[in-house]
Formats: sequence, structure tokens, C-alpha cells
Amino acid sequence: GESVGLHLPTLSVQEGDNSIINCAYSNSASDYFIWYKQESGKGPQFIIDIRSNMDKRQGQRVTVLLNKTVKHLSLQIAATQPGDSAVYFCAENSGNAGNMLTFGGGTRLMVKP
Amino acid sequence: ETGVTQSPTHLIKTRGQQVTLRCSSQSGHNTVSWYQQALGQGPQFIFQYYREEENGRGNFPPRFSGLQFPNYSSELNVNALELDDSALYLCASSPMGASGGYTFGSGTRLTVV
Repeated sequence: GESVGLHLPTLSVQEGDNSIINCAYSNSASDYFIWYKQESGKGPQFIIDIRSNMDKRQGQRVTVLLNKTVKHLSLQIAATQPGDSAVYFCAENSGNAGNMLTFGGGTRLMVKP
Repeated sequence: ETGVTQSPTHLIKTRGQQVTLRCSSQSGHNTVSWYQQALGQGPQFIFQYYREEENGRGNFPPRFSGLQFPNYSSELNVNALELDDSALYLCASSPMGASGGYTFGSGTRLTVV
């Protein structure tokens, strides 16, 4: 399969532990943020999103936190599983140029059994 | 319900040649966006199409062009290929006006030699 993110920052966690992936965004006018998971050979897959009028949003095993003061976004994965191993990207939407998404550089999550 | 399909999956072209990549949007989605993902980086927005017209463009030269057809499928054309055009090209479809509810295809890996 395709190899994505050969030189990305890597987070290595033990199976069952919680993972926290961080992201700094650039545009203070961005009002919508999304976390994507990208496995080798596949396109980005939606995980969870949050609007700028919220600080926290929870999904199944995942939580996104938004700190607009310092333009910081984080993704928390509870009880990390081997299937969570992938590259994770945050993306922001400022409503410009056809609702374009601006992606961060990505973090590779490696889950050790 | 089918997802986003892209063709071909892999392609090798020579510098200076032209290439056409194809994308079929997810059922019910009328907007198509194209992204370029270089190895080890996040996707970068190329442009978006809605109602067969370009609806926003990122920082890409005019030799990157596109089309959208009445059935919402789309093509990405790149003329005068350069070595730096080697990348994974991702297509994403969404309902019009969606801030980020994009469904991504698995991409076309283009290698320019």
C-alpha cells in the first residue's frame, strides 16, 4: 500500500493507553475544525469535528478540544487500539475559496501491542 | 451508497506531458474538491467545482485545471508536468455548503520522471 507521512512526528503509545495528538492552527477566522485519520493507501477519513463556538466535543472513544485563545486543537483517543495506528491530520475551514480545508502537517500514531 | 472513486490508482508520466485524473463523487454530493498531497505532508487544496464551474482555488498555477460533469463527476488536468507534481491527488465530494463534511477517495499516486 501507499506510504503516507514518512517523516512526520510520531507518537508511540501502548495498546489500551490514551493518546493525545496536538495541532496548532493558523487562521483566527477559522470557524470549523476537523480531525482526519489516514491509513496507508487510503484517503483521509473523517473522525470528529468541532465548531468555533464550542470548546469540547466527544464522540465514540474520541474527544476534540479547541482552545481559540492560543489557536490549538487536540484529539484524545481513549483506550487506543492497534487499528488506531495511522497518520492523523487536523484541518481548518475559514470559509474562504470554496470552503477549502487547510490541513496541518500530520502526526503518525503507532500503537504497540 | 457508494463512496468517492478515483482512477487510475497509480500513474507514471514523463516531465512535460499532460495528465487527466478522474473522480466520481459520492451519491447525493454535488460538490467536488481536489487536493494534492506530497509525501510526508498534509493535503493542499487545489480547487473546488460546483454546478460545473470552479468555485474556489488554492495557490496552484493555471496548468492545473478541472472539469465537472452534469453527473457531478470531475476531472483534474495537469499540463506541462514537472517533477514536483509527483504526489497523491485526492478527490473529495460533499453536499454544497458543507463546511467540511467531505468524503475523500483513496487518491491517484502520480509519479513524474
